[in-house]
Amino acid sequence: GAGVSQTPSNKVTEKGKYVELRCDPISGHTALYWYRQSLGQGPEFLIYFQGTGAADDSGLPNDRFFAVRPEGSVSTLKIQRTERGDSAVYLCASSLSTDTQYFGPGTRLTVL
Amino acid sequence: AQKVTQAQTEISVVEKEDVTLDCVYETRDTTYYLFWYKQPPSGELVFLIRRNSFDEQNEISGRYSWNFQKSTSSFNFTITASQVVDSAVYFCALTPNAGNNRKLIWGLGTSLAVNP
Repeated sequence: GAGVSQTPSNKVTEKGKYVELRCDPISGHTALYWYRQSLGQGPEFLIYFQGTGAADDSGLPNDRFFAVRPEGSVSTLKIQRTERGDSAVYLCASSLSTDTQYFGPGTRLTVL
Repeated sequence: AQKVTQAQTEISVVEKEDVTLDCVYETRDTTYYLFWYKQPPSGELVFLIRRNSFDEQNEISGRYSWNFQKSTSSFNFTITASQVVDSAVYFCALTPNAGNNRKLIWGLGTSLAVNP
């Protein structure tokens, strides 16, 4: 079946702009996670959804970052007033409840 | 605090050599899961294995094997008869086995280069 998909695959934006990153989880997966991976680093947890609600957003670096999952499936990560330090690969993963997480290909965000 | 340490930043081997990737973890949780993921040059993280802290049996899957030792908090990964296609960054990760939130705590990864 289809895996986790993320769009766009690449996003280049200018400092100060707003961006939205989309994640389509595996069908039926109730849990959805966002991570951020900087060059040469392991992924870093951002936020976890169980169904429609953000059950843990402790990893969001500041209030410029926000994520939604209104119907319990697709999720959108929103970044306001982007900064150069936001440049990274943003990874989305989904799982059946507490099962293994399966990852999408990521969105590479570059802030100029 | 929870932490995963992968001390080997880069490893280079010649094809057909065996190679072991080390992973040491710290956690105060009594139950937890350990994982290995592979990240090839394409960038997508590929799940390899999940191990429950209750299960210390070693596991073998083809050329891959995993050695889990709770006494030393280690979960090492061995590739036997390495191949060029094994070249990738390998990540070890940890998550608690309690509640619904299974956010992964990651090591920094080990970059493996298998040369022909």
